[in-house]
Amino acid sequence: GENVEQHPSTLSVQEGDSAVIKCTYSDSASNYFPWYKQELGKGPQLIIDIRSNVGEKKDQRIAVTLNKTAKHFSLHITETQPEDSAVYFCAADDYKLSFGAGTTVTVRA
Amino acid sequence: EAGVAQSPRYKIIEKRQSVAFWCNPISGHATLYWYQQILGQGPKLLIQFQNNGVVDDSQLPKDRFSAERLKGVDSTLKIQPAKLEDSAVYLCASSRDSPSSYNSPLHFGNGTRLTVT
Repeated sequence: GENVEQHPSTLSVQEGDSAVIKCTYSDSASNYFPWYKQELGKGPQLIIDIRSNVGEKKDQRIAVTLNKTAKHFSLHITETQPEDSAVYFCAADDYKLSFGAGTTVTVRA
Repeated sequence: EAGVAQSPRYKIIEKRQSVAFWCNPISGHATLYWYQQILGQGPKLLIQFQNNGVVDDSQLPKDRFSAERLKGVDSTLKIQPAKLEDSAVYLCASSRDSPSSYNSPLHFGNGTRLTVT
């Protein structure tokens, strides 16, 4: 099955700075890579996703990049704000979604 | 649209007791998932239903866990008997189709936090 590794496990950034989270996956058949944000006491919420036929996707302050050859993908958050503080999960889908272990992002005011 | 509804939000039981969780997916969503999220980890798929049929239950500990989805809508997940290591958040999710299908992302409920003492 798919194995997704996510780094770093914790990330602290100053408000206004950028945050980058990186994930690698093992199954070259995976073709869908979503990112989820989970706030305390809530379920994960999809924030952006990318498919294997696309190298980069952007939505306002967040962007994802995908390198299929290297089997890694990344989440970039620019101009971070306190409300960006949460746990972020990457995932990869071969025939089912497999999640990374999560990154706890703290934005310092 | 209304989100995925789960109940109860919290449950505390003693080991060897039984417990059941309920999920109501988003209307019209054919696929329903149960995930287990242990503290500090990502969600792990327990079982996936397509309508009322099981698509994947390879990670479900079938000696103690069971799940059903009657009439292809609501679903229940049961644990009997519970063990200490079952302490986790149990998340239900739904999607219109499989998540890799276009325009068919997963929508999660807020989960049930289970504590086994």
